[in-house]
Amino acid sequence: GAGVSQSPSNKVTEKGKDVELRCDPISGHTALYWYRQSLGQGLEFLIYFQGNSAPDKSGLPSDRFSAERTGGSVSTLTIQRTQQEDSAVYLCASSPDLIETQYFGPGTRLLVL
Amino acid sequence: KQEVTQIPAALSVPEGENLVLNCSFTDSAIYNLQWFRQDPGKGLTSLLLIQSSQREQTSGRLNASLDKSSGRSTLYIAASQPGDSATYLCAVQTGANNLFFGTGTRLTVIP
Repeated sequence: GAGVSQSPSNKVTEKGKDVELRCDPISGHTALYWYRQSLGQGLEFLIYFQGNSAPDKSGLPSDRFSAERTGGSVSTLTIQRTQQEDSAVYLCASSPDLIETQYFGPGTRLLVL
Repeated sequence: KQEVTQIPAALSVPEGENLVLNCSFTDSAIYNLQWFRQDPGKGLTSLLLIQSSQREQTSGRLNASLDKSSGRSTLYIAASQPGDSATYLCAVQTGANNLFFGTGTRLTVIP
C-alpha cells in the first residue's frame, strides 16, 4: 500500500518568507509526527498528533513554527519568517496507534537563503 | 532528558563480514526501541522494533537485542552486502508522543 508522502521534496526560500510543508500519512494511522534533521545532528521531535486530541507541541523550537492536521489525516507544518537556521530536512511519520512502529516519509529538504 | 548514543559513528567493512552496531540510552524507562535505516536523500525505513518486555527481534539477516536495565541495544547484521550501506539510527520511545534518536552509524560495505 501507499506509504507516507511529503511535499514538496525540496524547497528553497529566502529568509523572512513563510513556507508550508505537507504530509500525507498512511491511511488509517491515527498518530502523526513531525521531526527535523539538521546537518550533522540527530532527529529532533517537533510535534505530535493523535486522533482528535490536542497536539503535543512541546518540540516546536519557536512560535514561528505551527502545524495542523485536518480531518485526522493530512498535516501541514508552517514556518513563518524563515531563518537560515531553519534549513534542515523535515520528516513526517505516522503510526497505527500509540507506541507502534513509526513509518517515515521521504522528507522535505528546506534551504533558507 | 533521554540521551541516545550510537557507536561507532562510522564503520567500513568488507562484503560478507558480520557486524554489530551499538546503541545506548540513559533512561531505561522506555516503551520500545527501534532501529531505522536512512539512505541518502531518502526518509527513514523502520527495520526492527523491540518492545520493552522483549529481549530481541529478528528479521532476515538482522538481529536486534535489547538490555533495558543496562540501557543498551545492538543491531547485528550477518553476511553484510553493499546494499546494506546506509546510516543506521536507533531510537527509544519514552512516552506516547516522543521518540529520541541517536545520531546514527554510517555503514559502508565494500564490495
